[in-house]
Amino acid sequence: GAVVSQHPSWVICKSGTSVKIECRSLDFQATTMFWYRQFPKQSLMLMATSNEGSKATYEQGVEKDKFLINHASLTLSTLTVTSAHPEDSSFYICSARAEFHYGYTFGSGTRLTVV
Amino acid sequence: GIQVEQSPPDLILQEGANSTLRCNFSDSVNNLQWFHQNPWGQLINLFYIPSGTKQNGRLSATTVATERYSLLYISSSQTTDSGVYFCAALMEYGNKLVFGAGTILRVKS
Repeated sequence: GAVVSQHPSWVICKSGTSVKIECRSLDFQATTMFWYRQFPKQSLMLMATSNEGSKATYEQGVEKDKFLINHASLTLSTLTVTSAHPEDSSFYICSARAEFHYGYTFGSGTRLTVV
Repeated sequence: GIQVEQSPPDLILQEGANSTLRCNFSDSVNNLQWFHQNPWGQLINLFYIPSGTKQNGRLSATTVATERYSLLYISSSQTTDSGVYFCAALMEYGNKLVFGAGTILRVKS
């Protein structure tokens, strides 16, 4: 149990375009999901907390207009990177915690390359 | 916020050797997890261990919450154990999982 699915696994896009990444909890409901970003050879940094039915909470230094988060249902959160630039190229990972599990489960990640 | 420190940053082992990875955290926690990140980036949950000791095959983990540290033991290491090991902690009154910098493990055959 406690499976989180993330899609796509990788994406290449042109500068100036937008990219949407989906994160789904498959066998549990998640009122809260988390989005992390990881640069090469670095640790995971929390970007934002996604709350079902309300606005996301962004960490300091994360542009909310650049990284749009929508958590429209108890099983789906989306991260949209708007007007992407090469510096947005990174590995994005989502996470959720199943109520019955108490540990955090992570999606498989999305490798974004902006050219 | 909570600080999570891992040591050593890098570790090279000969296949069959044992190792201990350490995680120190600065505040009381109600969640401590160990992850293995494989070469494709997938984070594999190894242990959810806010306190006590757990074992799973060749791996075991111990968290001493009162002294604010956790240890991950890898016995009889295999080349497939290579990758990055992260510990992550959740503050006692928060919901944000904070990661340490990780330990890069390379097991040579």
